[in-house]
Amino acid sequence: DQQVKQNSPSLSVQEGRISILNCDYTNSMFDYFLWYKKYPAEGPTFLISISSIKDKNEDGRFTVFLNKSAKHLSLHIVPSQPGDSAVYFCAASAMKTSYDKVIFGPGTSLSVIP
Amino acid sequence: KAGVTQTPRYLIKTRGQQVTLSCSPISGHRSVSWYQQTPGQGLQFLFEYFSETQRNKGNFPGRFSGRQFSNSRSEMNVSTLELGDSALYLCASSLNKKNEQFFGPGTRLTVL
Repeated sequence: DQQVKQNSPSLSVQEGRISILNCDYTNSMFDYFLWYKKYPAEGPTFLISISSIKDKNEDGRFTVFLNKSAKHLSLHIVPSQPGDSAVYFCAASAMKTSYDKVIFGPGTSLSVIP
Repeated sequence: KAGVTQTPRYLIKTRGQQVTLSCSPISGHRSVSWYQQTPGQGLQFLFEYFSETQRNKGNFPGRFSGRQFSNSRSEMNVSTLELGDSALYLCASSLNKKNEQFFGPGTRLTVL
């Protein structure tokens, strides 16, 4: 039973355009969400996070939107660059409870075409 | 400061053998988590240690075990290896349970 879902295994976007990566979760106890980026042969690196008290968090070209009622979040990358080509993992945890292990989605492979 | 290091980076074992993987967290980080990554499954949580105590455990059989030492370094052990254990094993450390995790490069385990 996947508590964090990323239904698009892959995504291709033209350089300079917007990349939108989607993530859905099922556990209503989740209140903290993170995005990680992973290049081949490297471990994931933290990209951006959002707490459930917010619906948007922005950091440079990266913006994460959270829709709690739909249990959905998305990562927007504008403008997309070839160096953004990587696997993106959505992750969630329940920070307010003692059960706070981080649950990761299966990842979406983004290809930015020059 | 130095990042999370994992040794070895690559490992080939045969079915039935056992393996021990090592992780050195970022200096000062007391929480260490282990994940298994397989194609299409994302990162599956194995366990988390904090100050030498296992705080959380994922849904893996008892063949998977771990420990943490007083210097926060951690090891995970897999006994009686199966073909399905072939995966990338990632270690991540954080300052405390509420902080973002920093991942090591992983150990690629191949079971033949």
